[in-house]
Amino acid sequence: ETGVTQSPTHLIKTRGQQVTLRCSSQSGHNTVSWYQQALGQGPQFIFQYYREEENGRGNFPPRFSGLQFPNYSSELNVNALELDDSALYLCASSLARGLAAYEQYFGPGTRLTVT
Amino acid sequence: RKEVEQDPGPFNVPEGATVAFNCTYSNSASQSFFWYRQDCRKEPKLLMSVYSSGNEDGRFTAQLNRASQYISLLIRDSKLSDSATYLCVVNRGYGGATNKLIFGTGTLLAVQP
Repeated sequence: ETGVTQSPTHLIKTRGQQVTLRCSSQSGHNTVSWYQQALGQGPQFIFQYYREEENGRGNFPPRFSGLQFPNYSSELNVNALELDDSALYLCASSLARGLAAYEQYFGPGTRLTVT
Repeated sequence: RKEVEQDPGPFNVPEGATVAFNCTYSNSASQSFFWYRQDCRKEPKLLMSVYSSGNEDGRFTAQLNRASQYISLLIRDSKLSDSATYLCVVNRGYGGATNKLIFGTGTLLAVQP
C-alpha cells in the first residue's frame, strides 16, 4: 500500500451543498495533488499543494478550493455542488526537492455522488 | 485532440500472450512519463516510470520515443492478474515543484484463461 489515506470513502450530497474531502500524505512526502475521475475517464488534475500553497491548477472553477496543513495533509472543498461533480476524487502525494519532482502515489479515493 | 491519447480497447488476450499498449502525447514540453495500472473501482497504482533508454521490470517493458512523442508498454506472458486498465501518464510540470499528471483515458486489458 502507498500509505496515502483519504476520508470519507463514500459520500452522498445534494445539489447546492458543500463538501470537504480529506487526505493524509505518505510519510516523507511534502506535496499533495488532487484529481477528479469521472466514470470511464482518466483522472483530471484539479490542483496541487506544496508548502501549504496552491502550486498549479487545472481547468476547474473557483468553487473547487483546497488547503494544505503543516503536516502536509490536505483538504479539497467543493461549494455549490453540481450533478456533474459526481466522481471519484483522488489524492496523490509526492516528494518535491528543489526543481525535481518525484512519482505520485494515490490514495484509495473518495467516491462522491451528487443527487 | 486529447493531450494524451490511448487506444481504449478492450484488449482480450489469452493467458501467456504478449500484449503491447501504445500512447502518444502532444505537448513536447512534457518532462516525465509513467504507466499506471487501475483495477475496477480502485485507485491508480504506479506500474513503472518510462525512461528514454527504455526500461524493464520483469515481464513489463516500457519505451519512450521523445522525437515521435510516443510511449509504449509491453507485457509478456500475460497472467489473469494482469487484467486491469492501463493508464498512460505524462508529467507536464510547470517548473519548480509543480508536477501535473496528464492521464490518457486508459486501455482495458482482459486476460482470458
